[in-house]
Amino acid sequence: EPEVTQTPSHQVTQMGQEVILRCVPISNHLYFYWYRQILGQKVEFLVSFYNNEISEKSEIFDDQFSVERPDGSNFTLKIRSTKLEDSAMYFCASSEAEGRSEKLFFGSGTQLSVL
Amino acid sequence: QKEVEQNSGPLSVPEGAIASLNCTYSDRGSQSFFWYRQYSGKSPELIMFIYSNGDKEDGRFTAQLNKASQYVSLLIRDSQPSDSATYLCAGPTGGGNKLTFGTGTQLKVEL
Repeated sequence: EPEVTQTPSHQVTQMGQEVILRCVPISNHLYFYWYRQILGQKVEFLVSFYNNEISEKSEIFDDQFSVERPDGSNFTLKIRSTKLEDSAMYFCASSEAEGRSEKLFFGSGTQLSVL
Repeated sequence: QKEVEQNSGPLSVPEGAIASLNCTYSDRGSQSFFWYRQYSGKSPELIMFIYSNGDKEDGRFTAQLNKASQYVSLLIRDSQPSDSATYLCAGPTGGGNKLTFGTGTQLKVEL
């Protein structure tokens, strides 16, 4: 069964460092997303991406965050200067199309720890 | 702010019983809802989705949507210990696929 894959599974970084989280969405999917989940809290939307552009972003997704699809398969989330409060599980998701009834499939996540 | 609300639990049921998980939402425009199961430290796994009023059954799972009451529920029949997890209710908000998640209800199925 096709799945969304994410690397690395764990990332430890020092405050102020840049990190790049990587995702390979399901191959025939066109819409890509990043969500995050701080320990014990809700899964929160960060950004959606389609046709090489951001479709929508949340208030969390400030200038420190960026997304990119550098080639035909990868989708990345970059945090330029990490803060302690960026520590969370980051989930990539993808969907086949757009629409309020489209199903999102999530990757296994990257646990980011900022020290 | 469009919200999805769930009781965080834990909800404890004995093995073999029916577990009933509930969710309310504020966006009257929401047409569809999704139930995800999340084991501790793992990613959300889609288990059910419902687009129209009424019930939708899939194996041991039944999703129920009542748009007039802005209420969606998930029933798990013949609960098994492997069903012990956090169940997340999610609905689309805004024009696209962005999902707003509830806090999740922790289900414990006891032997």
